[in-house]
This record gives sequence, C-alpha cells and structure tokens, in this order.
Amino acid sequence: QSALTQPASVSGSPGQSITISCTGTSSDVGGYNYVSWYQQHPGKAPKLMIYDVSNRPSGVSNRFSGSKSGNTASLTISGLQAEDEADYYCSSYTSSSTGVVFGGGTKLTVL
Amino acid sequence: QVQLVESGGGVVQPGGSLRLSCAASGFTFSSYGMHWVRQAPGKGLEWVAFIRYDGSNKYYADSVKGRFTISRDNSKNTLYLQMNSLRAEDTAVYYCAKDPGMIRYYFDYWGQGTLVTVSS
Repeated sequence: QSALTQPASVSGSPGQSITISCTGTSSDVGGYNYVSWYQQHPGKAPKLMIYDVSNRPSGVSNRFSGSKSGNTASLTISGLQAEDEADYYCSSYTSSSTGVVFGGGTKLTVL
Repeated sequence: QVQLVESGGGVVQPGGSLRLSCAASGFTFSSYGMHWVRQAPGKGLEWVAFIRYDGSNKYYADSVKGRFTISRDNSKNTLYLQMNSLRAEDTAVYYCAKDPGMIRYYFDYWGQGTLVTVSS
C-alpha cells in the first residue's frame, strides 16, 4: 500500500492557525469518509484527534478541526499552543487492501 | 478506563519468530475489533493487521502477509501477533490499538508499545 502524502514539516507562532494536508487517491481518502488524524509526542503513543474526516473525540480541544476535498484531507489547528508541537499523522481506509494506510507524518513546530 | 498493555518484544535473529501479546482491560474486549500498528525507529506509523471482534475476519498489510498472524482470545481479553520469518525491516515498536466498533478503520485507544529488534 502506498502511503498518503503529508508535508514533512509545518510551523507557526503561538496563536496562529496552521493546516496540514493529506493527499491520497480515490481508493482511500477520496473514496471514503474514513480519514482520521493522530498526534504523537516524542516517545509516546499516538493519540486520536479527528475521526471520520471531521469528528472530534470527547476531550480533544475544539481548536482541532478536519475537512476533506476530493482526494485531500486537512487538519487545521487554530490558536496554536506550545503543547501542540508534535508529529501528526493522517490515516484512511484503503480498498486496495481492505486495510488502513497512513501518511508519512508531519512535524509541527511552534515557534 | 481503557488499558492496552503490550508484551513479548525483544531481540530476535533474522528468520526467527516472536509472539506479541496485548492485554486489554476497561472495556468489553469481545465487542471490538483490534489492530496492530508498528513504527520503525525514527519513522512513521504503519498499519500491520486487523481482527474482527469475534476473530471471523482478519486483514493484513502486504508487507507482513503470509508471515504474521493476528489472533485473539476473548476469554482472556488478549490480542496476539505471531511473527514468523522476521526481517531487519520488521524492527519497530509494535502498538496494539482498539477499533471503536466492529470495524471503523481508526484507532481510539493505543497501548504504550513493545519494541521488536531483528538483528544478528
């Protein structure tokens, strides 16, 4: 399975907004609303931030939002805070293998 | 609260075998699908395998198909990953992760991971 495409890094200043893109194909991102996003701090397990494209689990800040257009999904973080600095991964169901494919990950730096 | 605790990682020679376990608690284990996800050192996440709540269906990444077997024992609230014919590229932290339903294709809870190192 080919990985979804994410930018290697993004950065922003506290209080600003950033968007991380996640590009796939019609066999994954574009064909299904099974896109999710995970936050991972160094040495820690990933944490679910968004599921089914735009839904937030309870306990996740409403500063995090998700969307999708065609074959590209996006994670937007508004009002950046220092604790948002982490790696972010998108994932999607893929019909290629009846499984899940991840993006390569994006390192978010809060300046 | 939901807890997933992996064990069984270690150092193994290329071509060798290892079985990972994931002990689940805090939820009705027998009602949920379960996944294994791995992360090579300094690399991104890679989905490995999924098993339905009752073990009736199993799906694998192409990279492990035919070498790894996912299974579960609902009476013991435990998930397993039998890994055979291990290769250097299987070196990774292996996480077990809970699916929020029978199969929803995302992971709402993760364990802390167990490190598998394939090296001679």
